Amino acid sequence: AQSVSQHNHHVILSEAASLELGCNYSYGGTVNLFWYVQYPGQHLQLLLKYFSGDPLVKGIKGFEAEFIKSKFSFNLRKPSVQWSDTAEYFCAVLKAAGNKLTFGGGTRVLVKP
Amino acid sequence: DTGVSQDPRHKITKRGQNVTFRCDPISEHNRLYWYRQTLGQGPEFLTYFQNEAQLEKSRLLSDRFSAERPKGSFSTLEIQRTEQGDSAMYLCASSYSGRKDEQFFGPGTRLTVL
Repeated sequence: AQSVSQHNHHVILSEAASLELGCNYSYGGTVNLFWYVQYPGQHLQLLLKYFSGDPLVKGIKGFEAEFIKSKFSFNLRKPSVQWSDTAEYFCAVLKAAGNKLTFGGGTRVLVKP
Repeated sequence: DTGVSQDPRHKITKRGQNVTFRCDPISEHNRLYWYRQTLGQGPEFLTYFQNEAQLEKSRLLSDRFSAERPKGSFSTLEIQRTEQGDSAMYLCASSYSGRKDEQFFGPGTRLTVL
């Protein structure tokens, strides 16, 4: 069965620190990849997505992610975090011929002011 | 607000009772999805509709669960004879089949079964 692994359950950072969240998936076919964010008290929102082409994708709020096919990875990065980036981040995979998103377990990020 | 809406936002019920949740998708979206999220986990797919047709159901969706989308607009998810293990956040998402990969999520209904 397809699975998505997020390596860190909790991350604590200070403002201006760099952030990198790992995501690996276990499906060998063509996939679309996503990072969703859930701010405290809010619903899931799309941060960025990868379908094809340039493996480095840029999303909202200064986030970017790199798809490395050989490593089945789609890691999320932000060079300098802000307190407002405190949230839970979810990696998700959609098979190219499928309809359902498969999510990782999420990473809670706390940015200390 | 033209996003996905869900009602109620919170539901507390006693074990054995039936509950029903409603989801109103973004109006032009013809696909509607239900996911379940338990504490400390990511959302898990339950089922999805294209228009009024239920096209896929997860094995997580036991016989006690039923979902409908009678007119291809709003959807309901009913859980019969609730169990404590049904306590979770139930999320609804919608998308347009022309861009099926962009799923927009609602705020969820948090179910607590006592």
